[in-house]
Amino acid sequence: QVHLVQSGAEVKKPGASVKVSCKASGYTFTGYYLHWVRQAPGQGPEWMGWINPNSGGTNYAQKFQGRVTMSTDTSISTAYMELRRLRSDDTAVYYCGRHSGPAAALDYWGQGTLVTVSS
Amino acid sequence: SYELTQPPSVSVSPGQTASITCSGDKLGDKYACWYQQKAGQSPVLVIYEDTRRPSGIPERFSGSKSGNTATLTIRGTQTMDEADYYCQAWDSSTAEGVFGTGTKVTVL
Repeated sequence: QVHLVQSGAEVKKPGASVKVSCKASGYTFTGYYLHWVRQAPGQGPEWMGWINPNSGGTNYAQKFQGRVTMSTDTSISTAYMELRRLRSDDTAVYYCGRHSGPAAALDYWGQGTLVTVSS
Repeated sequence: SYELTQPPSVSVSPGQTASITCSGDKLGDKYACWYQQKAGQSPVLVIYEDTRRPSGIPERFSGSKSGNTATLTIRGTQTMDEADYYCQAWDSSTAEGVFGTGTKVTVL
């Protein structure tokens, strides 16, 4: 069965960078886009962008352009999301999700990674 | 930027029907999907492509769309359905995903 397993919680200082990983199993990694979504405490989900593991192509939400990089290592079926120049309002749970179908419905999600930005 | 609007909260008695709306400009031209999120858990897809239900999702969950409003209906609501629900659509003009504002469903 499909599993997306993310890396553990991180605590970072303002201005630092964080890199979250998402290891996929149970399906052909290069066959599905992966999206990254974050959710600040008490807030709804916020879409960050996607990556096509087959081509490496990406599309980032305008809000994160210049600060985020999504990448993959197909040899180990793992996707990464790096967010730079962290601010306190980047404190959130970050999720990866597998894209299914024409409407980018995310049919499988990782367990989430809490990133806390605090001085 | 594209926005999807949902009512903040819906209350329903056990066994009754809960309906959650999601409205957005030109949503009629896009597919909508719905997620259920319980406290401390990852979202779970319950409806995709407006009306389709993933395997394993109970039949009491259904989706529909009329004009620019999508609706998630839960028939015979159970206490286990108490959760936050989010709609989501794909803005093909920007290739970006957009989530709705979210609806807290309370079963009491």
